[in-house]
Amino acid sequence: DAKTTQPPSMDCAEGRAANLPCNHSTISGNEYVYWYRQIHSQGPQYIIHGLKNNETNEMASLIITEDRKSSTLILPHATLRDTAVYYCIVRVSYGGATNKLIFGTGTLLAVQP
Amino acid sequence: GAGVSQTPSNKVTEKGKYVELRCDPISGHTALYWYRQSLGQGPEFLIYFQGTGAADDSGLPNDRFFAVRPEGSVSTLKIQRTERGDSAVYLCASSLKTTQGGCCNQPQHFGDGTRLSIL
Repeated sequence: DAKTTQPPSMDCAEGRAANLPCNHSTISGNEYVYWYRQIHSQGPQYIIHGLKNNETNEMASLIITEDRKSSTLILPHATLRDTAVYYCIVRVSYGGATNKLIFGTGTLLAVQP
Repeated sequence: GAGVSQTPSNKVTEKGKYVELRCDPISGHTALYWYRQSLGQGPEFLIYFQGTGAADDSGLPNDRFFAVRPEGSVSTLKIQRTERGDSAVYLCASSLKTTQGGCCNQPQHFGDGTRLSIL
């Protein structure tokens, strides 16, 4: 699976949009981009995933560049409860591959009041 | 609906003891995963079950670690002769069976883990 690079930490003001970047320059055509987050003392929580197109759900939006070498997770109106470590992961989609997730150290997003 | 349930939430035991950690996946999820998370690190993969069989156990650190899923639902992670270095949060996740021959279009849903402390 391709490696990802994320900033170790970011701050965001409450009520503003949080834009979390991720570089995955070695991504191949059959790899999905997944985002999870982990709030202190809880298990990782699935947020969103995409392959080529931008995606949006009730939690966030995922913007993937046309060359797929980077992506941005957008939390449109950050709240204090969004303070967490955010993980960007790329995963191969061919049949028979193990479903394992390979986590890096993620980005610690601190939402400030 | 009910999420992934892990018991106990905390376990403290002495070095050399045997421990069992339990995971109840989301109903209907055929895939089950175990991960281990040390302080300040992201989770690390241990083992993956599809149904009753371990499809990938490449992440188990040594033969003191073993996991079973006899009926394709509940799974137990077993650690023999525990060492202080085994102290970590052990996470379990489950997902639906992947479709279209692929592996990665079904997200994994995690429990809150078991915090294991070896004294």
